[in-house]
Amino acid sequence: GDSVTQMEGPVTLSEEAFLTINCTYTATGYPSLFWYVQYPGEGLQLLLKATKADDKGSNKGFEATYRKETTSFHLEKGSVQVSDSAVYFCALTDINTNAGKSTFGDGTTLTVKP
Amino acid sequence: EPEVTQTPSHQVTQMGQEVILRCVPISNHLYFYWYRQILGQKVEFLVSFYNNEISEKSEIFDDQFSVERPDGSNFTLKIRSTKLEDSAMYFCASRGTGSNEKLFFGSGTQLSVL
Repeated sequence: GDSVTQMEGPVTLSEEAFLTINCTYTATGYPSLFWYVQYPGEGLQLLLKATKADDKGSNKGFEATYRKETTSFHLEKGSVQVSDSAVYFCALTDINTNAGKSTFGDGTTLTVKP
Repeated sequence: EPEVTQTPSHQVTQMGQEVILRCVPISNHLYFYWYRQILGQKVEFLVSFYNNEISEKSEIFDDQFSVERPDGSNFTLKIRSTKLEDSAMYFCASRGTGSNEKLFFGSGTQLSVL
């Protein structure tokens, strides 16, 4: 079945540092890929998405590129802020094979210190 | 942006009691989902619902669980006889059709079984 593997956390960075959170996937079909963010005490929010190979999703300074050859969707941000502290989930959805359900990675906790 | 609404935000119950978690999906969406997240663990798929029937369910979704769309707006998850291990955050999500595979999540119901 489909699966998502995320870089283990927690990740602690200083403000303005560069962020990379690795995500790789296995899927039988051609999934869409997503990053969700969960701020403390809140639900899941979509951060960005990419629906086909070589697409780049971007939002709030975060970027991720759909790499089919390496089955990866790594999340990056050039300069993190304290307000970026949250749990980040990589996920895939293959609506053609899985009734549209999403498969999530384990989540990576990011803490940004001033 | 449209929102998925979940009530209550917190639910405390005694083991063996029945609970109903309520969700109001986005009005023109047709696919509905329940996910759960045990504290500190990954987001797990429970069930997907389309055209008034379950389209897929996970191993977690056993006979103690049921879903219903009692009217045109609500989508409920019932747990018939709660167990301690049912304690988790339960997220409802909905999705439109076509190429928009983005899931809209509610803010969750924190269920505590004592």
